[in-house]
Amino acid sequence: GQSLEQPSEVTAVEGAIVQINCTYQTSGFYGLSWYQQHDGGAPTFLSYNALDGLEETGRFSSFLSRSDSYGYLLLQELQMKDSASYFCAVRSASGGSYIPTFGRGTSLIVHP
Amino acid sequence: EADIYQTPRYLVIGTGKKITLECSQTMGHDKMYWYQQDPGMELHLIHYSYGVNSTEKGDLSSESTVSRIRTEHFPLTLESARPSHTSQYLCASSDGTGKETQYFGPGTRLLVL
Repeated sequence: GQSLEQPSEVTAVEGAIVQINCTYQTSGFYGLSWYQQHDGGAPTFLSYNALDGLEETGRFSSFLSRSDSYGYLLLQELQMKDSASYFCAVRSASGGSYIPTFGRGTSLIVHP
Repeated sequence: EADIYQTPRYLVIGTGKKITLECSQTMGHDKMYWYQQDPGMELHLIHYSYGVNSTEKGDLSSESTVSRIRTEHFPLTLESARPSHTSQYLCASSDGTGKETQYFGPGTRLLVL
């Protein structure tokens, strides 16, 4: 089966940089995605890595190392509105289908 | 802004009732998914579909059923609701291209008394 590990909570101050790690165990790995979910809201897509390296989208960057089964989401110039839960998700092959599996989520708390 | 809708947004219902949660998308996506999420917890895939007349069960065992008669519509039905079904249900769709980005609906919060 698939499993993902990420920290349950991360705290940081406005303007700082924070890194949220994700390690995974899966067969038939295709890619690692990151989603943001505010309290009471729906998850929204942030980034996707299929190959090793860094993907940058504005203040957010995501990194993947396939050999280490590891990735991270980097948030720069933190703002109060970044307080949310962040989920990593793997896309993997299972019985001929490509199904997504989500981690338990990391609650990011940004302080003034 | 993704065009995926869920109704109702909130539902309080008694044990034993039959309920159907609606999900529609106007993006023409072939792939659609249903997730169950308890507060502060991960999303559990309960059903998915890769196109019309295609439905599969996900990782989490569920007493619900789904149908996919039209591309845009993917309803989820509970034949007999129980308090253990109390949760948030999220519907999503993806376009099936490289990133497989999932677009989520606003969710249905279900409370079974």
